[in-house]
Amino acid sequence: DGGITQSPKYLFRKEGQNVTLSCEQNLNHDAMYWYRQDPGQGLRLIYYSQIVNDFQKGDIAEGYSVSREKKESFPLTVTSAQKNPTAFYLCASRSSGDSMAAQYFGPGTRLLVL
Amino acid sequence: AQSVTQPDIHITVSEGASLELRCNYSYGATPYLFWYVQSPGQGLQLLLKYFSGDTLVQGIKGFEAEFKRSQSSFNLRKPSVHWSDAAEYFCAVGGTGFQKLVFGTGTRLLVSP
Repeated sequence: DGGITQSPKYLFRKEGQNVTLSCEQNLNHDAMYWYRQDPGQGLRLIYYSQIVNDFQKGDIAEGYSVSREKKESFPLTVTSAQKNPTAFYLCASRSSGDSMAAQYFGPGTRLLVL
Repeated sequence: AQSVTQPDIHITVSEGASLELRCNYSYGATPYLFWYVQSPGQGLQLLLKYFSGDTLVQGIKGFEAEFKRSQSSFNLRKPSVHWSDAAEYFCAVGGTGFQKLVFGTGTRLLVSP
């Protein structure tokens, strides 16, 4: 089945620790996105990538980093510089060759701070 | 600046009754508009999208939305709500190219028996 997978479903971070959230898609989509969701705030864009080996900061990139070494993978690292990381993180992808294509979302990872 | 307003934080509808969720947007160019639905602890599922053409858009699960440029609105409707429609609904606006989306804060739909 084609789709987007995110792992783990739950992730616990200790103070000062970096953690990495996985996002994989087998939809052959060029564009991939990371969003953060907090209660009552909707979704906010962290990073996005339109092609392999290229990515740009979104609206709230501070304290996060990404890589895009493969078309199907777009991991997000939450660094120790992110002082309030507790949130629900959503990955999305989109076929950038179709201007009317929508973004499709994975099931999300909930990050909690110990 | 781009923005999306969903004025209703919560809405309660009786099962079988009609539903309308409001969405107002601010966007400097021709907007691309989307409605997504999210069940608790899950990702977002696309309900429908509007890019151009007919201003009444049909989506999945019996939902439809109407684009009204003069009112900067893209309200979501369903003629008869089912208990399984209880979820959170997000309206989003974006443009061409990269399609950076701006999301509203969501409306939580509760369905009463």
